[in-house]
Amino acid sequence: SQLAEENPWALSVHEGESVTVNCSYKTSITALQWYRQKSGEGPAQLILIRSNEREKRNGRLRATLDTSSQSSSLSITATRCEDTAVYFCADYGGSGNKLIFGTGTLLSVKP
Amino acid sequence: GGIITQTPKFLIGQEGQKLTLKCQQNFNHDTMYWYRQDSGKGLRLIYYSITENDLQKGDLSEGYDASREKKSSFSLTVTSAQKNEMAVFLCASSMGHNTEVFFGKGTRLTVV
Repeated sequence: SQLAEENPWALSVHEGESVTVNCSYKTSITALQWYRQKSGEGPAQLILIRSNEREKRNGRLRATLDTSSQSSSLSITATRCEDTAVYFCADYGGSGNKLIFGTGTLLSVKP
Repeated sequence: GGIITQTPKFLIGQEGQKLTLKCQQNFNHDTMYWYRQDSGKGLRLIYYSITENDLQKGDLSEGYDASREKKSSFSLTVTSAQKNEMAVFLCASSMGHNTEVFFGKGTRLTVV
């Protein structure tokens, strides 16, 4: 079962530009997590935003959560080439410890 | 900090063969996961375990077995390898619900 979907499927920007990845989810959540996966590595958590939070920041990253529309966004400012990766949203969907990932957005940051 | 170690990094098996992938974590985490990632796609949950000797099926458990004999280790067995199973298998662990999940670097499975 697919808990969430990110969009767009792929993005390409130049270094220094800002970019936003969106996530829509289908069930009620207690928290939503954003992960980044670089080529050849496992995913790494970027931000965890709880259902009672509307915004969370981590350096150049900003996540928002809108529980009424069941959507979240992850924005990256001043992008760098090393931000090139696949970005996933993920959540437990209220089902205990079963963490389910979205399909991911491939971000390419070019010099 | 801790680390998740997956062995082997690369695994080549023959169709129909039984294959075992291993995972160790030194975070002292309660929950461990096995995910499968097909090329260019998202992660699909195969099995997870919330404590030693516990096993819970994910969405993709058919064709796989898992074993959590110790808190620090979680193994995955492909019961009969198929060519459409070529993928990267990722092991992960966490303290539990709504906590950060840490991943290993993966085992890449090729079936010939």
